[in-house]
Amino acid sequence: QQQVRQSPQSLTVWEGETAILNCSYEDSTFDYFPWYHQFPGESPALLIAIRPVSNKKEDGRFTIFFNKREKKFSLHIADSQPGDSATYFCAASKGGNQGKLIFGQGTKLSIKP
Amino acid sequence: EAAVTQSPRNKVTVTGGNVTLSCRQTNSHNYMYWYRQDTGHGLRLIHYSYGAGNLQIGDVPDGYKATRTTQEDFFLLLELASPSQTSLYFCASSDPDGAEQFFGPGTRLTVL
Repeated sequence: QQQVRQSPQSLTVWEGETAILNCSYEDSTFDYFPWYHQFPGESPALLIAIRPVSNKKEDGRFTIFFNKREKKFSLHIADSQPGDSATYFCAASKGGNQGKLIFGQGTKLSIKP
Repeated sequence: EAAVTQSPRNKVTVTGGNVTLSCRQTNSHNYMYWYRQDTGHGLRLIHYSYGAGNLQIGDVPDGYKATRTTQEDFFLLLELASPSQTSLYFCASSDPDGAEQFFGPGTRLTVL
């Protein structure tokens, strides 16, 4: 079965530090890699996404780094804020399965003030 | 703004019971999805649909049926509920490119 693996399961960083969340995948035909975040008691929502034509995507404090050769991608959250505390899910999909996302297991991120 | 609603928001049933979870989207999206969320497993796709009358099998379909009656409405059916189906269920919708999925508020199902 296609898999997307995510680590760590939980992560605690101090306010102002950079949080790094990691994902890896197996299927080399995946061509779309989003990150979703989910705040306690709420539903998941798209945060940022990347396609393999690029190896980096930035949106404010959030950056995806993509390594096609190693089949890995990561989310960096710079200058972490307590309001960033949430569960983050990476995912992957491919054009032939339009819209079908395979999600990672999630990383629970806590930011200490 | 995208709108996906689910009902009921909470449901308690007994083993062997019959449960229907409802989802409605007003985004004019063609694609709709049912996921379950369990600690340690993330979001797992149960069934999805490309449009009214269409049904695709997801990654964890056992024990679940689904039906897409209109573009707006997608239902998840548990005909013989089991305790292993206790979970938080999310419905989502997207455009065909699937670039962004919009999630509903979730239904918490408990099977005793």
